[in-house]
Amino acid sequence: TEMTQSPTSLSASVGDRVTITCRAGQGIATYLAWFQQKPGTAPKLLIYEASTLQSGVPSRFSGSASGPDFTLTISSLHPEDVATYYCQNYNTAPFTFGPGTKVEIK
Amino acid sequence: EVQLVESGGGLVQPGGSLKLSCAAAGFTFSGSAIHWVRQASGKGLEWIGRVRSNRNGYVTSYTASVKGRFIISRDDSRNTAYLQMNSLKIEDSAVYYCTRQPETGRGITPPGDYWGQGTLVAVSS
Repeated sequence: TEMTQSPTSLSASVGDRVTITCRAGQGIATYLAWFQQKPGTAPKLLIYEASTLQSGVPSRFSGSASGPDFTLTISSLHPEDVATYYCQNYNTAPFTFGPGTKVEIK
Repeated sequence: EVQLVESGGGLVQPGGSLKLSCAAAGFTFSGSAIHWVRQASGKGLEWIGRVRSNRNGYVTSYTASVKGRFIISRDDSRNTAYLQMNSLKIEDSAVYYCTRQPETGRGITPPGDYWGQGTLVAVSS
């Protein structure tokens, strides 16, 4: 299942609301996860089942789904949120990742 | 504490082979599927494949680009999963990660709650 993400990158100010979109090429129900990856480190699970917050993840992160479209929202951007964000289908193999969205501070 | 530790990376010539290990601790290894994910320098994450748990028959799945060249296996007595890589190509150069997916028998749980630190594979002549 091909996964697409938009935008490829974004620059926002501290405190801004940030939205990243992921689209699944085929139906994946809500078996979608969002990961945050900082340079030189392994990915970190933020959201699973499209909208369930992983334990320990700040509540400013949220996820939603509407048909084939999935959204990751950061309600108020913090400096430590600078990272690349990936979505991943885990409904059926191959468990494809989206190409990533790089988030920077303006 | 849950830990996943990859090892076995290194420099290999094109056409060569390498076997990576993923040693697990701190959880019931036999109850989890293990995924392998790689990341080429400056690129995104690429899912390589998965070996399921005994409950699910140790079934393996692979992405198209490695099917027929890579083999994922596991030894539950050693709490270790393996990625055997054959016929390596320059484009296989990447950091290779393993991650777990608990298989509880109660629905589909997400992969990726714990990851190893990664091991670097460089394919070059």
